[in-house]
Amino acid sequence: KNEVEQSPQNLTAQEGEFITINCSYSVGISALHWLQQHPGGGIVSLFMLSSGKKKHGRLIATINIQEKHSSLHITASHPRDSAVYICAAVNTGNQFYFGTGTSLTVIP
Amino acid sequence: DAGVIQSPRHEVTEMGQEVTLRCKPISGHNSLFWYRQTMMRGLELLIYFNNNVPIDDSGMPEDRFSAKMPNASFSTLKIQPSEPRDSAVYFCASSLATGGPYNEQFFGPGTRLTVL
Repeated sequence: KNEVEQSPQNLTAQEGEFITINCSYSVGISALHWLQQHPGGGIVSLFMLSSGKKKHGRLIATINIQEKHSSLHITASHPRDSAVYICAAVNTGNQFYFGTGTSLTVIP
Repeated sequence: DAGVIQSPRHEVTEMGQEVTLRCKPISGHNSLFWYRQTMMRGLELLIYFNNNVPIDDSGMPEDRFSAKMPNASFSTLKIQPSEPRDSAVYFCASSLATGGPYNEQFFGPGTRLTVL
């Protein structure tokens, strides 16, 4: 069983749609990261959060510690948002657990 | 700022050869991370350093892997001897951390390693 589960694995959306990617984890965490990996392979750290909600532009990340669940939302999606989104949980022992990623394709 | 710099970007070598991957973190950052990404296993953390000191190397797969950080501006990941199953993309990332891997990380472009 994976410590971090992401859903969906693949997602196709029309430009402008509101998108939600989910991440559930089974370990006690100190922090949770959301990463974006572009088709060319480069990785960008989007958010690091340990509680509540963070917003950056059209991206919003939320976390519910009690439910061990985090979501990444993209409002007004755009083709340039097409990428693989990875969540990573960091437990209290500083160990990383990675989800397998959600591949998002936004169609114009 | 040049960001995290990794070299080489691509490496093709034969099984049994020694491979050295290099990373220059962002100036002023005090934490450095080495990751490996494969299709089968996804992204994995191999080791991370805080203030040049290895904090957690539990992700290093075998004794064939070793990592060093001789100073704040340079780190190496060495594989000796290399095996075909080591073929992967190796990422280096750095952050300005205050006592744990809880801060935003900046990733390098990765080194794509192919072991024949």
